[in-house]
Amino acid sequence: GEEVAQTPKHLVRGEGQKAKLYCAPIKGHSYVFWYQQVLKNEFKFLISFQNENVFDETGMPKERFSAKCLPNSPCSLEIQATKLEDSAVYFCASSQSQLGEQYFGPGTRLTVT
Amino acid sequence: DQQVKQNSPSLSVQEGRISILNCDYTNSMFDYFLWYKKYPAEGPTFLISISSIKDKNEDGRFTVFLNKSAKHLSLHIVPSQPGDSAVYFCAAIGVGSQGNLIFGKGTKLSVKP
Repeated sequence: GEEVAQTPKHLVRGEGQKAKLYCAPIKGHSYVFWYQQVLKNEFKFLISFQNENVFDETGMPKERFSAKCLPNSPCSLEIQATKLEDSAVYFCASSQSQLGEQYFGPGTRLTVT
Repeated sequence: DQQVKQNSPSLSVQEGRISILNCDYTNSMFDYFLWYKKYPAEGPTFLISISSIKDKNEDGRFTVFLNKSAKHLSLHIVPSQPGDSAVYFCAAIGVGSQGNLIFGKGTKLSVKP
């Protein structure tokens, strides 16, 4: 598609439950990036993919977070055993090149109660 | 330590006047800079970018200026319109990086009719 799509829009999970977020990048874009926005305005980079390969995972809290981008499927970000501090808006972005403009989806708001 | 700083949390401007949003950075290895606009409950929207080999880039009402020696960039919007009211984020990509964006904390622009 012409826009980055993210589902669901909102997700509520009890502490300790699993959360799974989805992202469909713009068609033809090879790179996908995940960011976490906490405290309203702070963006934190989590992980990026080049097609289905992990490109950079330096921002991922590896013990509970995992992500995949499989061919012909939306990319996903999964949080096992969510914690209160995982409450945030998670944005996915895609781009045609590694170093260039990234186009963002509308985000998924995760609330952990 | 914040590498991209937007020191003004908010800015109020009269419709028709110029809006100037500022951004400072500390890492001299940043190679590419971008400005995004964000409305509440939406993802960031790409506005304009500039490579470190340039000092100015213009697109319609938006102009970005880069002063490498001062490690400073600014976004000029002229004339400002009420629809420009949003949070503006400055972001940077480093030389040799994997392309992830490093964001400032944003400046909320209010354009009053």
